Amino acid sequence: DVKVTQSSRYLVKRTGEKVFLECVQDMDHENMFWYRQDPGLGLRLIYFSYDVKMKEKGDIPEGYSVSREKKERFSLILESASTNQTSMYLCASNQQRSANVLTFGAGSRLTVL
Amino acid sequence: GNSVTQMEGPVTLSEEAFLTINCTYTATGYPSLFWYVQYPGEGLQLLLKATKADDKGSNKGFEATYRKETTSFHLEKGSVQVSDSAVYFCALRSNYGGATNKLIFGTGTLLAVQP
Repeated sequence: DVKVTQSSRYLVKRTGEKVFLECVQDMDHENMFWYRQDPGLGLRLIYFSYDVKMKEKGDIPEGYSVSREKKERFSLILESASTNQTSMYLCASNQQRSANVLTFGAGSRLTVL
Repeated sequence: GNSVTQMEGPVTLSEEAFLTINCTYTATGYPSLFWYVQYPGEGLQLLLKATKADDKGSNKGFEATYRKETTSFHLEKGSVQVSDSAVYFCALRSNYGGATNKLIFGTGTLLAVQP
């Protein structure tokens, strides 16, 4: 069964801490995405990547960065976490020339105190 | 720009009731349209899709028809079950211009089905 795995389901961090959210997919997908999900706002795209070492800003990239050193792994980095980054973070992937069916991970719920 | 608007929830229904969740969109050109479902504690998964006008997507008893004239993609099910309780997201992918791999999601509609 194809999978997108997010290593941490729940994290609690303090304001100012550096946070790494890891995502790994085993489907050899070219595209990977990071979304955040907030009540009443739906899913908003933070960053996406079309290939190794490639990244593009989504709709809300401020306060975040990403890293894609290997095809299967896409990391989301909060350099200095703030309370307004408390959210559910969802990683997804798909093939370059698919009908854009995204495969999602189960999510990482981050709380910043 | 491109956007998706879906009805606010929560939607609370009794088992075997008829379900409609409204979704309308704004997009340049002819987007592809999707419904994703998120069960409690899980990530999103594709429920159904339609890639051109008048297409009907269907899966697990759910249906949605791509209506270009009304820019809508309403989700329907004739008889809901308790196991359908979830958050439902309408989404579009623009097929116009660059960055065509991006999906734009609506805000989600929580469906609660009571026995």
